Amino acid sequence: GAGVSQSPSNKVTEKGKDVELRCDPISGHTALYWYRQSLGQGLEFLIYFQGNSAPDKSGLPSDRFSAERTGGSVSTLTIQRTQQEDSAVYLCASSPRPGLAGRTDTQYFGPGTRLTVL
Amino acid sequence: RKEVEQDPGPFNVPEGATVAFNCTYSNSASQSFFWYRQDCRKEPKLLMSVYSSGNEDGRFTAQLNRASQYISLLIRDSKLSDSATYLCVVTPIYNQGGKLIFGQGTELSVKP
Repeated sequence: GAGVSQSPSNKVTEKGKDVELRCDPISGHTALYWYRQSLGQGLEFLIYFQGNSAPDKSGLPSDRFSAERTGGSVSTLTIQRTQQEDSAVYLCASSPRPGLAGRTDTQYFGPGTRLTVL
Repeated sequence: RKEVEQDPGPFNVPEGATVAFNCTYSNSASQSFFWYRQDCRKEPKLLMSVYSSGNEDGRFTAQLNRASQYISLLIRDSKLSDSATYLCVVTPIYNQGGKLIFGQGTELSVKP
């Protein structure tokens, strides 16, 4: 079946511009996550959506970052007034259900969007 | 201190070698533990979950020591196709939605 898809695969933008990154999770998956991977850095959690619950935004690095998930499916990560330090690969993942007591369902990652801010 | 720490490597080994990766985590309340594999310029993929009793999947063996907050991955009879970055991953305390905390990754290069 279809996996997690992300678009665009590559995005080059100028400092100060806004960008939108899109994620289509696996159909039926209720949990959706955004991570980013910077050069020389590990993957870091950004934000998590689960059903109709309020998203966990604890990983967003600044108020220039925001995300929404419409209809419990597609998600958009928006970065306003991009800075050079925002350059990274932005990865989306989905899982069938959120972490339950004592277990965490496998997260399936998309191919990522490589963002370059000039 | 990072929440999950790994030796970044690279580990350069010949085919057929046995190689071990280690990882430590700082939050004693961490709930679940995993090893992910990431090929160059690709997304991470789950390699295996890690349990206190230890678990094995073919040539791969994972161990967890909660008392020492230590996780290991052993690869026996390494293949060229094992070349990748291996990511140690934990989930934080119970009921935080399963977000993953990643180590920096350990790079493995298996040579003919």
